[in-house]
Amino acid sequence: DQQVKQNSPSLSVQEGRISILNCDYTNSMFDYFLWYKKYPAEGPTFLISISSIKDKNEDGRFTVFLNKSAKHLSLHIVPSQPGDSAVYFCAANNGNQFYFGTGTSLTVIP
Amino acid sequence: KAGVTQTPRYLIKTRGQQVTLSCSPISGHRSVSWYQQTPGQGLQFLFEYFSETQRNKGNFPGRFSGRQFSNSRSEMNVSTLELGDSALYLCASSSDARVGNEKLFFGSGTQLSVL
Repeated sequence: DQQVKQNSPSLSVQEGRISILNCDYTNSMFDYFLWYKKYPAEGPTFLISISSIKDKNEDGRFTVFLNKSAKHLSLHIVPSQPGDSAVYFCAANNGNQFYFGTGTSLTVIP
Repeated sequence: KAGVTQTPRYLIKTRGQQVTLSCSPISGHRSVSWYQQTPGQGLQFLFEYFSETQRNKGNFPGRFSGRQFSNSRSEMNVSTLELGDSALYLCASSSDARVGNEKLFFGSGTQLSVL
């Protein structure tokens, strides 16, 4: 039962343009959401998070939006850079454990 | 502060063997979680340990087990290995995975290949 879903396995974007990665969840008890970035042969590293009491959180080029009514969150990267090419995982916590999506592989084309 | 350390980085085993993976969390972190990553499946939760007690367990067969020591270091064991166990096994530590706004810190993983 996949409670956190990333329906796009891959995404290609031109350098300098916006990258939008999407994530949907089914459990309304999730109250904390995170995005992780993963390079090959490395563990995921924390990128940005958002609490369920907010609908937007920014950190430099990265912004996460949360739409609780739609049970949807998205990560915007502006402007995209070649070094952003990686697999991005969204995750959610219900106060008991973390649930991860299947990941979206982002390729930023120079 | 040193990060999460997993050993070994790579492991090759044959079907039927058993394997033990090790994880040293960030100093001061008491929660250690284990995840399996396979292509197309994302990160599948195996189990979480907190202060030497297993608090949560994912939907994996009993061949997968773990433990945590008093210094918070954790080991994961897989017995009677199957070809489908080939995966990247990730360990993550946090102060307490159940506390709001906590984040997980991951190690580099152990890449297990079962032949």
